[in-house]
Amino acid sequence: GAGVSQSPSNKVTEKGKDVELRCDPISGHTALYWYRQSLGQGLEFLIYFQGNSAPDKSGLPSDRFSAERTGGSVSTLTIQRTQQEDSAVYLCASSLGRYSGANVLTFGAGSRLTVL
Amino acid sequence: TQLLEQSPQFLSIQEGENLTVYCNSSSVFSSLQWYRQEPGEGPVLLVTVVTGGEVKKLKRLTFQFGDARKDSSLHITAAQPGDTGLYLCAGASGGSTLGRLYFGRGTQLTVWP
Repeated sequence: GAGVSQSPSNKVTEKGKDVELRCDPISGHTALYWYRQSLGQGLEFLIYFQGNSAPDKSGLPSDRFSAERTGGSVSTLTIQRTQQEDSAVYLCASSLGRYSGANVLTFGAGSRLTVL
Repeated sequence: TQLLEQSPQFLSIQEGENLTVYCNSSSVFSSLQWYRQEPGEGPVLLVTVVTGGEVKKLKRLTFQFGDARKDSSLHITAAQPGDTGLYLCAGASGGSTLGRLYFGRGTQLTVWP
């Protein structure tokens, strides 16, 4: 597609429920990132996929968080047993990849998660 | 641990004033980028700097990368209300984390008419 598409744009859930957030990157972009942005904060790195390499999961805050990327394209971020502190905007970004010079990220508009 | 420190965190100025935003680190970066984010949207890239000492100009915005590639600044001349937004710096460090971008907390700029 022309840009990075994320869904849902807004999600309200109850504490303890599982949620799935979807990211559809720009066609041909081999790198895909998930970041989390809490109110008034910068971007917190969560996970990074680069082609067929093993993902860099070092930013995932707990084992309740997981992500997968199917077929090198669409990615799903799953949060199990959501907690109130998980409330944030989850941003997805894609890029041509680390071997394409300076890594320029194109971001989606984000998925705003509210855990009640 | 915040790899990139941005200052100031908040900046509120009148239209026509000049301002500078700083991005500092103790780490060396292979490249550094500046993004601008508006409410309800994702960050949008403004510029990438890759060479120590490099200066890039984008209309009223001037970006500088420190000689040691550890810091950067963004200077806006004659700020306008349309410049309002969250300005984020992001660095790529290379090595085993090549490809991963580290972001600062951002500077929230408000320009009043």
